[in-house]
Amino acid sequence: DTAVSQTPKYLVTQMGNDKSIKCEQNLGHDTMYWYKQDSKKFLKIMFSYNNKELIINETVPNRFSPKSPDKAHLNLHINSLELGDSAVYFCASSQPGTGVNSPLHFGNGTRLTVT
Amino acid sequence: KQEVTQIPAALSVPEGENLVLNCSFTDSAIYNLQWFRQDPGKGLTSLLLIQSSQREQTSGRLNASLDKSSGRSTLYIAASQPGDSATYLCAVHNTGGFKTIFGAGTRLFVKA
Repeated sequence: DTAVSQTPKYLVTQMGNDKSIKCEQNLGHDTMYWYKQDSKKFLKIMFSYNNKELIINETVPNRFSPKSPDKAHLNLHINSLELGDSAVYFCASSQPGTGVNSPLHFGNGTRLTVT
Repeated sequence: KQEVTQIPAALSVPEGENLVLNCSFTDSAIYNLQWFRQDPGKGLTSLLLIQSSQREQTSGRLNASLDKSSGRSTLYIAASQPGDSATYLCAVHNTGGFKTIFGAGTRLFVKA
């Protein structure tokens, strides 16, 4: 019963290509996120979606376009990939702001390597 | 702007020791604070979540405290075991919980 699942687990591609990472959660949460973990293992939020609406966009280049077809899914599409995009991308979900604290639940990550 | 700092960056201890990991944050107006564990090449596992109104949370050998006024949280691990070896991350939830700022983590190695 995977709570937050993302695919693929590994993604190797060349510069200039376009790729997508998919994320799905079965926790019934309203809020989903994308995080980027760089080579120094620092985790940084990229996007936050609440009920399919963009809440936070942390100055991410517009080559990155998240899409939320429904509140259980948040996909990340990346255009014109660059070497600096190589990182591990984590999807997460939670249920904040309801008066009942919900922990962040993370997927297992997608390791993107751009060559 | 919220900043989260974790000290030490790395820690190596013999099995059985009690240890404390530290987390500090610059803006005390937080929603809650969460401690995670990350094993190499893996995702993040939630350990403890402390609400802004709480002072501490306990789970097994783990105890996390929160002092909002001083902008500090500690994670106490009792009787450490080699299986505790991992990176421990502190995360502060702001803005109604929609935005989370992570510390850089503490890499823990427990020697058998």
